[in-house]
Amino acid sequence: DAGVTQSPTHLIKTRGQQVTLRCSPKSGHDTVSWYQQALGQGPQFIFQYYEEEERQRGNFPDRFSGHQFPNYSSELNVNALLLGDSALYLCASSLGLGLNTEAFFGQGTRLTVV
Amino acid sequence: QQQVKQSPQSLIVQKGGISIINCAYENTAFDYFPWYQQFPGKGPALLIAIRPDVSEKKEGRFTISFNKSAKQFSLHIMDSQPGDSATYFCAASARRQGNEKLTFGTGTRLTIIP
Repeated sequence: DAGVTQSPTHLIKTRGQQVTLRCSPKSGHDTVSWYQQALGQGPQFIFQYYEEEERQRGNFPDRFSGHQFPNYSSELNVNALLLGDSALYLCASSLGLGLNTEAFFGQGTRLTVV
Repeated sequence: QQQVKQSPQSLIVQKGGISIINCAYENTAFDYFPWYQQFPGKGPALLIAIRPDVSEKKEGRFTISFNKSAKQFSLHIMDSQPGDSATYFCAASARRQGNEKLTFGTGTRLTIIP
């Protein structure tokens, strides 16, 4: 049973560039959330996708956008990269919404902006 | 605004001892409280979770204690082992409000020494 998989594992980008990160949810899961984890900090919620729509969003600027595909996989796009966007980007998947869902995280994508 | 406060920031425990990590929250709408374990270079892994209708939940060597009136919850690791050395995060979300977003604490780096 494949868990949550993310690609790539590491990425180096130049300030001002754009980046796309990818996530495949755990088998059977249909909901994907994205988190940003700065070094030494807890993950911060970016947004959540369910039924191919952005359902919830955290305090992140519009430079952060996403998409969910019919097979439930998801992409996170960040435009006009800033040095402060350097972080571990985590994807979490769950089944549906509600009281009894549990979120499982992937290994993350380490983004470095230079 | 930090809604989940975690302490201590770091903890050193002897092998076989009890590790205790504490969290306090402000949002009374929170109704789901998971703990995650994270090893370097990996994503957070769900360890154990509790809902406020119970005061304690035990799974193997891991126990969550929950005090609704004080808005506090803690993780106890019994018979701590070197393999438990990791960073631990508490988190919370308000499921009944349809809020799947996990708000994380700042993390506790646990080191188990022989």
